[in-house]
Amino acid sequence: DAGVTQSPTHLIKTRGQQVTLRCSPKSGHDTVSWYQQALGQGPQFIFQYYEEEERQRGNFPDRFSGHQFPNYSSELNVNALLLGDSALYLCASSLETGSRNEQFFGPGTRLTVL
Amino acid sequence: SQQGEEDPQALSIQEGENATMNCSYKTSINNLQWYRQNSGRGLVHLILIRSNEREKHSGRLRVTLDTSKKSSSLLITASRAADTASYFCAPSNDMRFGAGTRLTVKP
Repeated sequence: DAGVTQSPTHLIKTRGQQVTLRCSPKSGHDTVSWYQQALGQGPQFIFQYYEEEERQRGNFPDRFSGHQFPNYSSELNVNALLLGDSALYLCASSLETGSRNEQFFGPGTRLTVL
Repeated sequence: SQQGEEDPQALSIQEGENATMNCSYKTSINNLQWYRQNSGRGLVHLILIRSNEREKHSGRLRVTLDTSKKSSSLLITASRAADTASYFCAPSNDMRFGAGTRLTVKP
């Protein structure tokens, strides 16, 4: 039973570029959430996708966008990268109808913006 | 703003000692989850406690929940150097994390 997977593991970009991060949820899960974690901080909620729609959104600008595919996998896109976007990006999956709503996290993508 | 807030921010103990960290949250919850994160890696799910439970055990972990005080605690007994990590809590229906408790277990 595969857990949450993310790709790539590391990424280096320059300011102004665009980046796409990918996430495959745990088998059987249908909901995907994305988080940004700066060094020494807790994860900050970006948004959540369910049924291919953005359902909740945290306090992030429109430069952050996402998508969920019919197979429940998801992408996070960040446009016009800033130095401050350097962080660990975490994806978490859960089952919407599950009574426990446990979220399982992937290993993260480390993004460095130069 | 954060939903889960962990306290203390940092905790340093000797191997074999117990470690207790606390969590406070702001709104009503369905259940609350505790996670561990080793440096630079993803969060590992440790334990979930439902709103109608007061205490739950899993191995060396003991979690308590006081919904009247909107607080939870995580106790790690007989700590090991491998328990060195950051620990986070978050309600399942509102996964906003605090800064976590950074636990260091010295061998």
